[in-house]
Amino acid sequence: DAGVTQSPTHLIKTRGQQVTLRCSPISGHKSVSWYQQVLGQGPQFIFQYYEKEERGRGNFPDRFSARQFPNYSSELNVNALLLGDSALYLCASNLEAYNEQFFGPGTRLTVL
Amino acid sequence: AQSVTQPDIHITVSEGASLELRCNYSYGATPYLFWYVQSPGQGLQLLLKYFSGDTLVQGIKGFEAEFKRSQSSFNLRKPSVHWSDAAEYFCAVGASNNDMRFGAGTRLTVKP
Repeated sequence: DAGVTQSPTHLIKTRGQQVTLRCSPISGHKSVSWYQQVLGQGPQFIFQYYEKEERGRGNFPDRFSARQFPNYSSELNVNALLLGDSALYLCASNLEAYNEQFFGPGTRLTVL
Repeated sequence: AQSVTQPDIHITVSEGASLELRCNYSYGATPYLFWYVQSPGQGLQLLLKYFSGDTLVQGIKGFEAEFKRSQSSFNLRKPSVHWSDAAEYFCAVGASNNDMRFGAGTRLTVKP
């Protein structure tokens, strides 16, 4: 079975630009979560979506937004990029009522 | 809100030696506890999890962890470390809304 997939693998943006990251969950998983992992730190929770609705939000500014589609895939959008947004962005999926999350390989975002 | 502390930023052990990585959590209810491993440039792989029941949990790759409610700890152990175990290890606590909080991680170096 395919695991969680994310695209793109890497991307480079400049300050002020906007970026969209994509995630496809494991087949059958209805919940998707997004995390930001800055170099040398643990992942920090950004959003969780379940059945296309936001279920949880971490302490991130409104420049960060996300959505989930009918096929349960998800996009994370970040507007007005700052240098500090440079990080590995991880997507995780899990079953409806099950707390174990499965992580994708991440998207490495570099903001110049 | 829940939080996790991993007191050791970096640990070095010799191959074949035993290993214990410390994790302390703060959470008002019964926690969901996890240990993940991350190799450089990779996503997170679940080693083991505790939801309820037996406080000694067995995981993959020969790892185990023990939940001690009185000490708010969930330490990870392995009796004999292999060179391939060198990686970053993250402890995480999950809340009922699947909002997982990660520790800052412990980097494990294995000496030949």
